[in-house]
Amino acid sequence: EPEVTQTPSHQVTQMGQEVILRCVPISNHLYFYWYRQILGQKVEFLVSFYNNEISEKSEIFDDQFSVERPDGSNFTLKIRSTKLEDSAMYFCASSDQGILGSSEAFFGQGTRLTVV
Amino acid sequence: AQSVTQLGSHVSVSEGALVLLRCNYSSSVPPYLFWYVQYPNQGLQLLLKYTSAATLVKGINGFEAEFKKSETSFHLTKPSAHMSDAAEYFCAVSVAGTALIFGKGTTLSVSS
Repeated sequence: EPEVTQTPSHQVTQMGQEVILRCVPISNHLYFYWYRQILGQKVEFLVSFYNNEISEKSEIFDDQFSVERPDGSNFTLKIRSTKLEDSAMYFCASSDQGILGSSEAFFGQGTRLTVV
Repeated sequence: AQSVTQLGSHVSVSEGALVLLRCNYSSSVPPYLFWYVQYPNQGLQLLLKYTSAATLVKGINGFEAEFKKSETSFHLTKPSAHMSDAAEYFCAVSVAGTALIFGKGTTLSVSS
């Protein structure tokens, strides 16, 4: 069964450092998403990406964040200068039709980012 | 803007008992509603979804949910809990092609 894969599973970084979280969406999917879940809190939407550009983003997704699809398979989330409050589980998701109700979003297992 | 509220951050049931996880939504337009499950150390897996067809939606693992517009609810139920159902459950809403908005989640514990 096709799945979304995320690497690494756990990343520890020092405050102020840049991190790149990597995702390989399901191969025929066109819509890509990043969500995060701070420990003990709900899953929060960060950004959606379609046709090589951001289609929607939340207020969390400020200038410190960026996304990229550098090649035909990877989808990355970059945090330029990490803060302690960026510590969270980051989930990547993909779907073939966008969240239009008729299509399921498939989620990866997540990357746990710990900023120290 | 749309939102979901999950009542009860933790629900405990005995094996074989009814499972009821509550979700209420807020939306100014007809919503699409989802339930996702997260097992330990795994990603989010879709249990079921409501997309304006039948109001009673059946999902995987014996779960079902009923969309009640008058109550703005989409509660998740399962007639008989199994130990393997222990997990975190998330209700989510989207409208008009926007991204999913999740509730805070409910942890389901099942005791023997």
